[in-house]
Amino acid sequence: DQQVKQNSPSLSVQEGRISILNCDYTNSMFDYFLWYKKYPAEGPTFLISISSIKDKNEDGRFTVFLNKSAKHLSLHIVPSQPGDSAVYFCAAPVPFQGGSEKLVFGKGTKLTVNP
Amino acid sequence: NAGVTQTPKFQVLKTGQSMTLQCAQDMNHEYMSWYRQDPGMGLRLIHYSVGAGITDQGEVPNGYNVSRSTTEDFPLRLLSAAPSQTSVYFCASSYLGPTDTQYFGPGTRLTVL
Repeated sequence: DQQVKQNSPSLSVQEGRISILNCDYTNSMFDYFLWYKKYPAEGPTFLISISSIKDKNEDGRFTVFLNKSAKHLSLHIVPSQPGDSAVYFCAAPVPFQGGSEKLVFGKGTKLTVNP
Repeated sequence: NAGVTQTPKFQVLKTGQSMTLQCAQDMNHEYMSWYRQDPGMGLRLIHYSVGAGITDQGEVPNGYNVSRSTTEDFPLRLLSAAPSQTSVYFCASSYLGPTDTQYFGPGTRLTVL
């Protein structure tokens, strides 16, 4: 059962427009979320994170919004550039065995930014 | 500073063969982990380590072993390869654990025939 869900496998936008990638989660106790970006034949790289004490975190062209009541977060990229074309994963640390935590990932959304 | 390195990049095995996927990091990170990524799936945790000499199972550990004799190295062993282990494998490291920024290696694409 997926704890972090990305329901859109792909998204295509025009260069210069806004890209909005969505992520839903199941447990209202989750308190920290991360976005990773992955290019083909490379490992994921950290992009941006947000704590549940905030509803927005911004880093340059990237902004993540958190709606705790809806258990939903979104990543906005403005303006989108062709180099943003990648797979984006939403992730959250969740309780695991023995008091530890593990990182659970959504299935990813493939973003294509067309010139 | 090479970050996280993984070898090999590609590997083809026959069912029943064993092999070791190598992972090394030069950032003095305590936490290291192995994930597998299958088509249409997110990354799933295989094994992890919170420091040298300490390892534990993740969510999909069956068929894999790990060891952590040094801070730098975290090899993943496939004991008897099965077609279900065909996947892309990523090693990652971080200072503190899952809530800390994970640095991923470039991945190993494994095919088991």
